[in-house]
Amino acid sequence: DGGITQSPKYLFRKEGQNVTLSCEQNLNHDAMYWYRQDPGQGLRLIYYSQIVNDFQKGDIAEGYSVSREKKESFPLTVTSAQKNPTAFYLCASKAGAAPNTGELFFGEGSRLTVL
Amino acid sequence: GENVEQHPSTLSVQEGDSAVIKCTYSDSASNYFPWYKQELGKRPQLIIDIRSNVGEKKDQRIAVTLNKTAKHFSLHITETQPEDSAVYFCAASKPGYSTLTFGKGTMLLVSP
Repeated sequence: DGGITQSPKYLFRKEGQNVTLSCEQNLNHDAMYWYRQDPGQGLRLIYYSQIVNDFQKGDIAEGYSVSREKKESFPLTVTSAQKNPTAFYLCASKAGAAPNTGELFFGEGSRLTVL
Repeated sequence: GENVEQHPSTLSVQEGDSAVIKCTYSDSASNYFPWYKQELGKRPQLIIDIRSNVGEKKDQRIAVTLNKTAKHFSLHITETQPEDSAVYFCAASKPGYSTLTFGKGTMLLVSP
């Protein structure tokens, strides 16, 4: 069953701790993305990767880090430097790395709460 | 960079009515405009998209129109049903870019 899987679904973190959100896809998609969703703010791009071992910052990259060591995996680390990390995080993938084309397939999201 | 404004932020209609959601974009170079629907507790999914060489596109009860001169595009839903209740996001993308800029979303509530 092809798709994009995020884990964990819910995560609680104490202030000052780093946390890593997992995103795995078996769609053989080249491009992967991380978005942050806050109420009334839409979807804001954190990082994206068009190819293995390469990634670019999005609009709100500060306090986050990513890696793309495998085509199917694009984990996001929320560091202690992120000032307001409580949010809903969505991972997405797209079939082609070619610009300006293709449907984004989203995971079901991870809700991070900082206590 | 690109900026996408979306209105209204919430929209309530009666079942069977039409609903219209409007978006404006700032960069005249943008040429790809998708719409995503996110039902409560679920992932966003693409429902329709349009490219700048087309003025209108329809798919059953939904349609999207594009006015390049005014730099705005709209989602039209006819004969709304309760299952249309969701948050709708518009987005825009420019040639050479593999990322989308999303609007802030419109929560549509269709009452029976």
